[in-house]
Order: sequence, then C-alpha cells, then structure tokens
Amino acid sequence: QKEVEQDPGPLSVPEGAIVSLNCTYSNSAFQYFMWYRQYSRKGPELLMYTYSSGNKEDGRFTAQVDKSSKYISLFIRDSQPSDSATYLCAMTTGGGSNYKLTFGKGTLLTVNP
Amino acid sequence: DAGVIQSPRHEVTEMGQEVTLRCKPISGHDYLFWYRQTMMRGLELLIYFNNNVPIDDSGMPEDRFSAKMPNASFSTLKIQPSEPRDSAVYFCASSHNLASTDTQYFGPGTRLTVL
Repeated sequence: QKEVEQDPGPLSVPEGAIVSLNCTYSNSAFQYFMWYRQYSRKGPELLMYTYSSGNKEDGRFTAQVDKSSKYISLFIRDSQPSDSATYLCAMTTGGGSNYKLTFGKGTLLTVNP
Repeated sequence: DAGVIQSPRHEVTEMGQEVTLRCKPISGHDYLFWYRQTMMRGLELLIYFNNNVPIDDSGMPEDRFSAKMPNASFSTLKIQPSEPRDSAVYFCASSHNLASTDTQYFGPGTRLTVL
C-alpha cells in the first residue's frame, strides 16, 4: 500500500460548483497536512496547511483532516476557472523529519466557465 | 524577491550525455531541496542541503545522479550518463528552516527529456 493515495482525476466541474478533493494515507505518524496547487508548467505552491485533526478555512478553501480515518479533504466553494490546476496533498510526521514531505500524485481539476 | 530560479526550463538530450540542472534559491533560505516529478511516481525528494551541506541524499536514484551546492546562492543536479528513464520534471525548492509551519517554495522546474 502506498503511503499516500490520491485519485488523479481528472475532475471537471462547472463554474460555481463545490469541489471536493481527497487523500488517504497509511502512516499514522503523519501529523502535518498540506495542500499544494500546481498550475500547468509551474512549480507547486502551498495553498493550505493543517496540524492534526480538524478543519481550517481560508476564503473559499477549507481543509479537513480526519486522523482516525486517515483521510484528508480540500473543499473549494464557488469554484472559478482560475482554480483549474493540479492539487497535491502532502504530509509529514514533523519533528526531525519535517523536510520529508510525502506527496500524493495530484488531482487534475478543470473548472469550466 | 524573484523566487527560486531554475535553468534551463527545458532540456532535450540523448542517452549517455551529461545533463546539468541549475538552481538559485531564495536569498536567505538555509535549506535547498531537489525533487523529481513523474506521472508514475509523483513528486519525490531526491536530496536536500542545509547551509550548503548535503544532509539526506537517500532519494537519489543511483550513482549517476550527483548534486552540489558550492555556495548559498547556487546548486546543481548532474546526471551522468543520462538514460531515457530519467525523463521527468526536476524541481528545486528552498525554505528558511524545517519547522513544520515553514513553507517550501518551489521553482518553475526543468523539463528533461532523454531520447
């Protein structure tokens, strides 16, 4: 079993839709969870960061972590064409291994106007 | 700040040739990371440096790969000899430190094609 599993999509939605992106993981030691956004032909950029379980909201974006189920989600409300990108989840155990981000393979999202 | 700078942006070479990828991290960042991204394996850490010193190279696939950081503003990733399976996008990233709240800033990547 891979450490982090992420449905590659592609996911295509109409503008204004609510988008749900998800990752599952197997390593219960992961404590820090991130979502990166990667536009075509660009490097990933950090979108959201969450520690342990719970929700975190930033504008139209909400990150959710359920450590008991080893499941994380990113919700995008009122999606816009500019949200079209690949979304990668990433996680780390923290402590001395903070540098070692384990990434999902990414989900390609297209928001159609 | 211009962000992390990588060159070249695209590289096409033939099997057996030497390839050198270059990276300039964000000024003041003490950590530099080299990643490789493929469809099959996703984004993988190859090596990282702290204050120009290689700390963990366990992700380097084999001896054909080497990385150096001669000073705080420049790093190279070299593949010699290159093989078609090395075709991928190679990213350089940098960060202030390794705190869990710290962000790794990625460059635009070098798209390498080995024929």
